Amino acid sequence: ETGVTQSPTHLIKTRGQQVTLRCSSQSGHNTVSWYQQALGQGPQFIFQYYREEENGRGNFPPRFSGLQFPNYSSELNVNALELDDSALYLCASSIRLGEKLFFGSGTQLSVL
Amino acid sequence: LAKTTQPISMDSYEGQEVNITCSHNNIATNDYITWYQQFPSQGPRFIIQGYKTKVTNEVASLFIPADRKSSTLSLPRVSLSDTAVYYCLVGGGDMRFGAGTRLTVKP
Repeated sequence: ETGVTQSPTHLIKTRGQQVTLRCSSQSGHNTVSWYQQALGQGPQFIFQYYREEENGRGNFPPRFSGLQFPNYSSELNVNALELDDSALYLCASSIRLGEKLFFGSGTQLSVL
Repeated sequence: LAKTTQPISMDSYEGQEVNITCSHNNIATNDYITWYQQFPSQGPRFIIQGYKTKVTNEVASLFIPADRKSSTLSLPRVSLSDTAVYYCLVGGGDMRFGAGTRLTVKP
């Protein structure tokens, strides 16, 4: 049990729609990172938030955006969904930058 | 950000010791080395983290030479349940995964 909860566990959307994925971290975990993992590949870093500010971003377009809230929850928003956005989306938190990450079980997003 | 290189796959048998080496030639002074394990349809799970020399916990050991340009994850006496993908990460801020090493443990 990592203490990181993601919702929903599965989601089906159609191309062009928008989606919001949610993550709840442990109290005191000041960083949250989001990853996209396609089948058979390693998790790809989307972005990281530290104390509610974006701290780093991977090679993802601006239609991927996020928020981190003071209550240790966070959101990943994806606009104008494309078929290639179909993947497992993982949220991970840590107490401080660079420390071990605690992952949720992910949200499986299917874009049709 | 330091790039990591690992073998794509490894096979082993139950009861053997498995060593997975990761290369990270441009590791920065402040970077730590962290290893994660991932099973299908689950998020990665932290195994071990180190900065230099040797670190050991209840599931693995991590060996880091003096130049820190590589590291070796050692799994003692693997079992079938250790079949998973293992990732080596290097960094001090955001953590970026490579392709990982797919370990298959055979009976």
